[in-house]
Amino acid sequence: QVQLQQSGPGLLKPSQTLSLTCTVSGASISSDGYYWTWIRQHPGKGLEWIGYIYNTGNTYYNPSLKSRLTISIDTSKNQFSLNLTSMTAADTAVYYCARRYSKAYLDYWGQGALVTVSS
Amino acid sequence: EIVLTQSPGTLSLSPGERATLSCRASQSISNSHVAWYQQKHGQAPRLVFYGASTRATGIPERISGSGSGTEFSLTISRLEPEDFAVYYCQQYGTAPLTFGGGTKVEIK
Repeated sequence: QVQLQQSGPGLLKPSQTLSLTCTVSGASISSDGYYWTWIRQHPGKGLEWIGYIYNTGNTYYNPSLKSRLTISIDTSKNQFSLNLTSMTAADTAVYYCARRYSKAYLDYWGQGALVTVSS
Repeated sequence: EIVLTQSPGTLSLSPGERATLSCRASQSISNSHVAWYQQKHGQAPRLVFYGASTRATGIPERISGSGSGTEFSLTISRLEPEDFAVYYCQQYGTAPLTFGGGTKVEIK
């Protein structure tokens, strides 16, 4: 069974950098055909695509976040990570990692991590 | 990018009733590349359908998906207590992937 386990801080101050890691079990992050994805959900709102990475290291970012965003992959640890700089209150959200099948749908999701930005 | 509009925003129904959720796209979605997700309070979304009408693993037959072009729908023939949740559609026919705003199915 594929599982995605997220880790990272829950509270940040404005201007700090968010770092989240997603550890995958039950599947190899090096497998072809899967795109490792970050999604966020603002409180009480819908889902927003952040970006995704392939096992080659190729990345695809939401243009609205691109200037602040880095997604990386560590195949030796079967993990992928998100770094989002210059955090503001507008970035307060639940952040999810997910596996995206062939640039299509998201078939497995992490448990989610509430990230709050507050001074 | 393709904008997905879901309606209604909230559906108030009783267990045993039929629910029909709509997802309308701002332009035609190629190959019916639409997925639906179910999200219960405090949980991650769960894949329900992909390819507009293909059930994900473990999804009961009382839930069906259909549609093509710009109009897609999710139907729950007889609502069970575990079906009350928020449902999101997502398109992957044209990059970037986009989500609808969601329909909440609540107990009347």
